[in-house]
Amino acid sequence: SAVISQKPSRDICQRGTSLTIQCQVDSQVTMMFWYRQQPGQSLTLIATANQGSEATYESGFVIDKFPISRPNLTFSTLTVSNMSPEDSSIYLCSVGLGKTGNTIYFGEGSWLTVV
Amino acid sequence: AQTVTQSQPEMSVQEAETVTLSCTYDTSENNYYLFWYKQPPSRQMILVIRQEAYKQQNATENRFSVNFQKAAKSFSLKISDSQLGDTAMYFCAFMKPQGGAQKLVFGQGTRLTINP
Repeated sequence: SAVISQKPSRDICQRGTSLTIQCQVDSQVTMMFWYRQQPGQSLTLIATANQGSEATYESGFVIDKFPISRPNLTFSTLTVSNMSPEDSSIYLCSVGLGKTGNTIYFGEGSWLTVV
Repeated sequence: AQTVTQSQPEMSVQEAETVTLSCTYDTSENNYYLFWYKQPPSRQMILVIRQEAYKQQNATENRFSVNFQKAAKSFSLKISDSQLGDTAMYFCAFMKPQGGAQKLVFGQGTRLTINP
């Protein structure tokens, strides 16, 4: 399977600041997905990032809070803006790989704690 | 909208035993994919097994196998000869493909503990 790298793996952030998470894939993919996992919860999709177009956000998530970049077919960033303690979560990127692109793999995750 | 339900919040078995985790889903689609992911304390989401809905044969990966019952919309995971390293959260997920990868819909997870 491809390597999907996320940075940072873990960070402690001050309230009111912003942090950008990077996701790098070692093969070209059309779609990249950003998920949030709040403590003790399951995963929820934040947005889908398609190269060359604006990201598509799920209900409850807005671009001002979670701006996404997708400059090429192997890279994406998710910024968590103006953070509050409620943003303390694991943020994961995922991509579809394999012959049909329908096998979904995840990066290692970025565990953010907002204090 | 699709929903995925994992009715067992926690399970615990002895090492070397066989354990089955349950997952049911609701969809009107005919073509879709189902996944089981393992999330150990490191928090990484690790793909365990994948099933394509149009394939009647149940997927297997070494000690992991599924019982896919399409009519019943059931997708259980069987772990044989369980090992201490199998201790983790397990998530069931649904995907409807549309010309490639699409978003996953996750169940709430089952916390599995393998005891020595």
